[in-house]
Amino acid sequence: GAGVSQSPSNKVTEKGKDVELRCDPISGHTALYWYRQSLGQGLEFLIYFQGNSAPDKSGLPSDRFSAERTGGSVSTLTIQRTQQEDSAVYLCASSLRATNEKLFFGSGTQLSVL
Amino acid sequence: AQRVTQPEKLLSVFKGAPVELKCNYSYSGSPELFWYVQYSRQRLQLLLRHISRESIKGFTADLNKGETSFHLKKPFAQEEDSAMYYCALYTGGFKTIFGAGTRLFVKA
Repeated sequence: GAGVSQSPSNKVTEKGKDVELRCDPISGHTALYWYRQSLGQGLEFLIYFQGNSAPDKSGLPSDRFSAERTGGSVSTLTIQRTQQEDSAVYLCASSLRATNEKLFFGSGTQLSVL
Repeated sequence: AQRVTQPEKLLSVFKGAPVELKCNYSYSGSPELFWYVQYSRQRLQLLLRHISRESIKGFTADLNKGETSFHLKKPFAQEEDSAMYYCALYTGGFKTIFGAGTRLFVKA
């Protein structure tokens, strides 16, 4: 595709519900990243995938957060039992290789937990 | 600990004035640093990286290892430079960490 695609662009949910956020990286990009953008907090690293290697989950804030990447392409970030503090913009990025390559970002999913 | 610090949340300058967005980092290895920019209603995108030693849209940034800084500078700010700017550090292990960001507002 032309760029990194994320869906939905906006998600409003009730506290305690589960949500799934989707990311479709640029075709051919082997590395995929999830970040969380909160007001005043900058971009918080969540998880990273590179090809078929085990993901780096070191940034996931709790065990309510999980992510998978199927077939080395599309990724889904799942947040279980959402809390109000999960409200943020969730950004996905991809890069051609898993080095210090330029990151290409999607337009994000604005998650609001009521 | 690996850290990127952008001390200013908001920076307001007049059009034509010089601008400097500060970035300091903490990293024990050899740093690779970047500036990303997010214009209103647009995606976050790479502005420049230190290894390229390039000038993009009139912006430059010099890595100062002694001061552990990578400040972004432009001699004459333009209204279209108004945006959110993030400094980023590639830490190896395939992870890039970002600062909290500085919102630049250029007044007419």
